[in-house]
Formats: sequence, C-alpha cells, structure tokens
Amino acid sequence: SQQGEEDPQALSIQEGENATMNCSYKTSINNLQWYRQNSGRGLVHLILIRSNEREKHSGRLRVTLDTSKKSSSLLITASRAADTASYFCATANQAGTALIFGKGTTLSVSS
Amino acid sequence: GAVVSQHPSWVICKSGTSVKIECRSLDFQATTMFWYRQFPKQSLMLMATSNEGSKATYEQGVEKDKFLINHASLTLSTLTVTSAHPEDSSFYICSASRQGEGNYGYTFGSGTRLTVV
Repeated sequence: SQQGEEDPQALSIQEGENATMNCSYKTSINNLQWYRQNSGRGLVHLILIRSNEREKHSGRLRVTLDTSKKSSSLLITASRAADTASYFCATANQAGTALIFGKGTTLSVSS
Repeated sequence: GAVVSQHPSWVICKSGTSVKIECRSLDFQATTMFWYRQFPKQSLMLMATSNEGSKATYEQGVEKDKFLINHASLTLSTLTVTSAHPEDSSFYICSASRQGEGNYGYTFGSGTRLTVV
C-alpha cells in the first residue's frame, strides 16, 4: 500500500528555477524522508525531517513538514540539469518497520 | 559506509524459470531487509519484510510461494521469483535497515531489472 500522494506528478522547469514538490500522508509519523531516484537506478536518501521539526535545510534542499495537515514539501533551489530525477517521500508503515513511498514527482530540468 | 549491494543489476529469463536476486549489506549488519517492486513510472511497492533467521512477512496481495525470500544471515537476503511469467517483469529493489537505527537508517540497493520473455 502507498502512504499518500505527491504533487505534481511531473514538473518541468528551466535550470536556475526552483522546484517545489508536495507530499501528503495518511497516518501519524515519527519522521518523513525524501528520496531521489535517477531513471532505472536505486534510491538515494536526501533528507529526513522528524515529526517535531517544521523545516530543515540541506544544501539546496529545503523540506517543510506540517503534521496538522499531514503534508510535507521539498524545495530544490537553483535547479540544475543533474537534478532531473524522480523524487519520493516516504514514511514508516504502521508496524514502524518498513518505508512506504508516495507516488513520486518526476522532475525534468532543462538547460 | 552503509552500502547495500544488489545482484544482478539486470536479468532476462524465460517464462517458467526461476530467478534469484541477492541483496547484501557490505559494511553493516542488517537486522531487517525489505523487498520492493517498481513498475515503470510508478512508485515502489513494498513486497515483504524479512528478518534474519525468521520467515518473511509479506504484504497483502504478494504471493509468498511465488516470491521466496530467504534471510539466512545478517548481511544477505535473497528474493527468488519462481516460475516467472512476463507479468513478473519489473524493477526489484532491496533495502536494509541498520541495527539500532529503527526507521531512520535505510539503505537501498541499486535495483534489479527483471525481464521475463
């Protein structure tokens, strides 16, 4: 089963622009994680935000978390062509053991 | 650190044959490993959770007799797709949870592209 929805499903922007992706989830969480997947490859962990945090930064990434709305956003600033990939949010399943992924946003950054 | 190696990266097999995919944690002990399946342009779907030395826990709708999971050691889990059919063609990804890190420490393999012809 999937935890929730991400939007948009696809996003196309120019280099230098910012990209914002949103994620909604259904159950209470301890933390929410964002992952990146290049086409046909495995997942790379980007950032983890705990349930008691509202915002977190890592380089050009900014993640927000609103537990009252059960939503999170990932902002990539000053995007580059190399940022082209699919981005997924993930939270733990009810047993607290495995990660359950959202549907993902496919980002295309053109130069 | 925290590297998970998945092998093979791609495999083509004939219908009716079985295929084994390996997932190894190279530099840490993985108490729990997870297997996901991903169809083109879709998200990862959790198939099963395996703990070292015990039977895997399968998600609803996943046939345990078709997708055999073995987690014989703290560094190796295998997924065997038995009697493969074209509809089993997919991208399979494993993940390992590092001891003591609960749901904070997951590392993913690079995936296996299975094509059944």
